[in-house]
Amino acid sequence: AQSVTQPDIHITVSEGASLELRCNYSYGATPYLFWYVQSPGQGLQLLLKYFSGDTLVQGIKGFEAEFKRSQSSFNLRKPSVHWSDAAEYFCAVGDDKLIFGTGTRLQVFP
Amino acid sequence: GAVVSQHPSRVICKSGTSVKIECRSLDFQATTMFWYRQFPKQSLMLMATSNEGSKATYEQGVEKDKFLINHASLTLSTLTVTSAHPEDSSFYICSARDLGGRNTEAFFGQGTRLTVV
Repeated sequence: AQSVTQPDIHITVSEGASLELRCNYSYGATPYLFWYVQSPGQGLQLLLKYFSGDTLVQGIKGFEAEFKRSQSSFNLRKPSVHWSDAAEYFCAVGDDKLIFGTGTRLQVFP
Repeated sequence: GAVVSQHPSRVICKSGTSVKIECRSLDFQATTMFWYRQFPKQSLMLMATSNEGSKATYEQGVEKDKFLINHASLTLSTLTVTSAHPEDSSFYICSARDLGGRNTEAFFGQGTRLTVV
């Protein structure tokens, strides 16, 4: 069955600290992988995507993610978090239809 | 990137009435659009796939008679919540993908928060 797991429901970091949000997937074919960010009451903004090629993907706002096929993972990272990064982050897999993880809420302390 | 516009962004309706939500691709054509639903503090769940010129495909457990989908053109899909009840209160989000080619992501609308009172 196709699924996406985000093990961390809630993460709290200090501003300036590094960040890693975990994402594991189960998908029959070669996956297309995405990370989206959602601010409260807002739609989704695409941070980055992986379709093929280089397994380290650079996105907007200083985010990057690494596709590791052997671990079925696509973890999101940022070297230095800003207070404005506080939001809900969703990992997703699929093509047209997306399967979303349950999300990780990021809280940033000054 | 491409723009998907969703309207309205917020709507409050009385129980038993119907509400229509529009999803438009502003600068590209989309034969397929997707409707998702998000309950508070939960993830997005796909409700249905809207196909231009044909019937929508609904996910298991989604009532097709309650959530009417019409995709009359390559740039517009509508979701009508019929005979709304308080349990239909949710955040509804659409997405569309550019026909232009592969390796393009789906773009999301800004969502519609529906409150049924």
